[in-house]
Amino acid sequence: AQKVTQAQTEISVVEKEDVTLDCVYETRDTTYYLFWYKQPPSGELVFLIRRNSFDEQNEISGRYSWNFQKSTSSFNFTITASQVVDSAVYFCALSEERWGGANSKLTFGKGITLSVRP
Amino acid sequence: GAGVSQSPSNKVTEKGKDVELRCDPISGHTALYWYRQSLGQGLEFLIYFQGNSAPDKSGLPSDRFSAERTGGSVSTLTIQRTQQEDSAVYLCASSWGLAGYNEQFFGPGTRLTVL
Repeated sequence: AQKVTQAQTEISVVEKEDVTLDCVYETRDTTYYLFWYKQPPSGELVFLIRRNSFDEQNEISGRYSWNFQKSTSSFNFTITASQVVDSAVYFCALSEERWGGANSKLTFGKGITLSVRP
Repeated sequence: GAGVSQSPSNKVTEKGKDVELRCDPISGHTALYWYRQSLGQGLEFLIYFQGNSAPDKSGLPSDRFSAERTGGSVSTLTIQRTQQEDSAVYLCASSWGLAGYNEQFFGPGTRLTVL
């Protein structure tokens, strides 16, 4: 069975600090996809990034960067120079794809509440 | 273009009543999903639909929950004989296909409160 663990529940930082959100996953499949979603106070989940299991290349998008390491089954998310607008709940999620048929339901971690203080 | 829409945004009902929650996916998306978000359980998968294939109902918590998708578009999630533990935010999502790499786009959710 697939599982996503976000051990941090709440993180509070001061604006401009860097912050890393951890994500550890478990799966028996060789083909899988990892996602990060942001849920701001408005409540709507916003897609941030997708990474497939064959691509361990790290990715940077503006102040956001992601570090995918299969050796440790981790897919961590770093926000550089955090801003108040980054305050939200961040979810890591896993989707497996099985031979002979797709299965793209998402298994989510419990989420990390990030508070960025001015 | 328009995103995923859900209605109502809020629903308050009495224990034992039936409720229907509606989801309008993004036009052209063939896959549709329902999830439930509650304080105790986090985000849980309920059911998904893909084209004319039989839906995957493996996440439905009990036989009081059912869902249908008409014409490959709009979906309705029905909860019969609601219980207080059904109180949660019900989220709908859609994607281009069933493949795992397709990101899911989420609606704003329906907050259900069972008194």
